[in-house]
Amino acid sequence: AQSVTQPDIHITVSEGASLELRCNYSYGATPYLFWYVQSPGQGLQLLLKYFSGDTLVQGIKGFEAEFKRSQSSFNLRKPSVHWSDAAEYFCAVGAPGGSYIPTFGRGTSLIVHP
Amino acid sequence: DAGVIQSPRHEVTEMGQEVTLRCKPISGHDYLFWYRQTMMRGLELLIYFNNNVPIDDSGMPEDRFSAKMPNASFSTLKIQPSEPRDSAVYFCASSLGGIQGGGYTFGSGTRLTVV
Repeated sequence: AQSVTQPDIHITVSEGASLELRCNYSYGATPYLFWYVQSPGQGLQLLLKYFSGDTLVQGIKGFEAEFKRSQSSFNLRKPSVHWSDAAEYFCAVGAPGGSYIPTFGRGTSLIVHP
Repeated sequence: DAGVIQSPRHEVTEMGQEVTLRCKPISGHDYLFWYRQTMMRGLELLIYFNNNVPIDDSGMPEDRFSAKMPNASFSTLKIQPSEPRDSAVYFCASSLGGIQGGGYTFGSGTRLTVV
């Protein structure tokens, strides 16, 4: 079974600074990988996904993520953070051809200082 | 499309009462998922349906929980009787083709408080 770890519970950055949120997964092959964002009082919104191909994936709101097989990682990045990016971010991993049930990480809370 | 619609947004009920949460998935989506989110346990999958048929309910915590999907445009999650430990945010999500389809669309959730 797959699993996913988000090592950082909270991340604090200044507005305009760069951002990297970490995600590590455990799975025997290349999984499907996702990043979601949850604003307060809202449901989760898909930011980007990786199935195969180019390991650098572009998403919405200026986010990107890079799949690194050797490190079993799928870190989320943004070159310049805006105050509106403050939210909870979830990494999820799913098994291709499996039960269609992705496993979500516990989330990383992003705090943005002005 | 209006997205996944959940009702009510907030529900406060007394212990022992029956609670029914409702979900309208995106039209044309063939998978529907019910999740529960708490600080202690994070996001937990309770049950999911494919073409209105329950596929896996192993995440349903107890027999007090039940879910139905009578048609492609409506699903309910019922808790009877409710207990304070059921307090959480319950999300419904739908997708086309499951995870192969590229991700889920989540509703805004129902915040349940059992007092």
